[in-house]
Amino acid sequence: QVQLQQWGAGQLKSSEILSLTCVVYGGSFSGYYWSWIRQPPGKGLEWIGEINHSGSTNCSPSLKSRVTISIDTSKNQFSLKLISVTAADTAVYFCARRLSAAIDFWGQGTLVTVSS
Amino acid sequence: DIQMTQSPSSLSASVGDKVTITCRASQSISSYLNWYQQKLGKAPKLLIFAASSLQSGVPSRFSGRGSGTDFTLTISSLQPEDFATYYCQQSSSIPITFGQGTRLEIK
Repeated sequence: QVQLQQWGAGQLKSSEILSLTCVVYGGSFSGYYWSWIRQPPGKGLEWIGEINHSGSTNCSPSLKSRVTISIDTSKNQFSLKLISVTAADTAVYFCARRLSAAIDFWGQGTLVTVSS
Repeated sequence: DIQMTQSPSSLSASVGDKVTITCRASQSISSYLNWYQQKLGKAPKLLIFAASSLQSGVPSRFSGRGSGTDFTLTISSLQPEDFATYYCQQSSSIPITFGQGTRLEIK
């Protein structure tokens, strides 16, 4: 069974760097896009971006200038960095696996709170 | 970006009811439409992919239809565990986008 486990700092101050990592247990690491999605408190889902095992990335245009997604296939891990955070970046961040068109496995989510 | 619009935004229904949620895309997305269920404090769960294919392990009371720009998710007979928020999502083009969600509440 595929499991995604994520971790990272949950409390940040404005202008700091958000950094999250997700490790994948079970299943193949290749053949998928490994994604980051966020959800502000009480709001809907926002796709941030994704990376495949070859390191090819796609990012939301609205976040592209601040986002870096990287992958370490030797550890079955992928990571998100978001620079210059503000209160608007406060959200639960999920890592996830995209199989072809659908997102079929999700991490448990990490609440990241940005304060001034 | 492709905009996804769900209706209604919220819905009250009773156990045993049949309910339908609609999702409309701002341009044609063929059948690249997926449905998710999210319960409070949990990650979303994939219910339907490619507009009408039931994800493994999902009860058959869930069904999806549509293509192009108009899609529906139907729950044939609501069970207590179905009260949650439902999201549609398109993967026809990048950026991937979600509908705003439909909150299904107990009447």
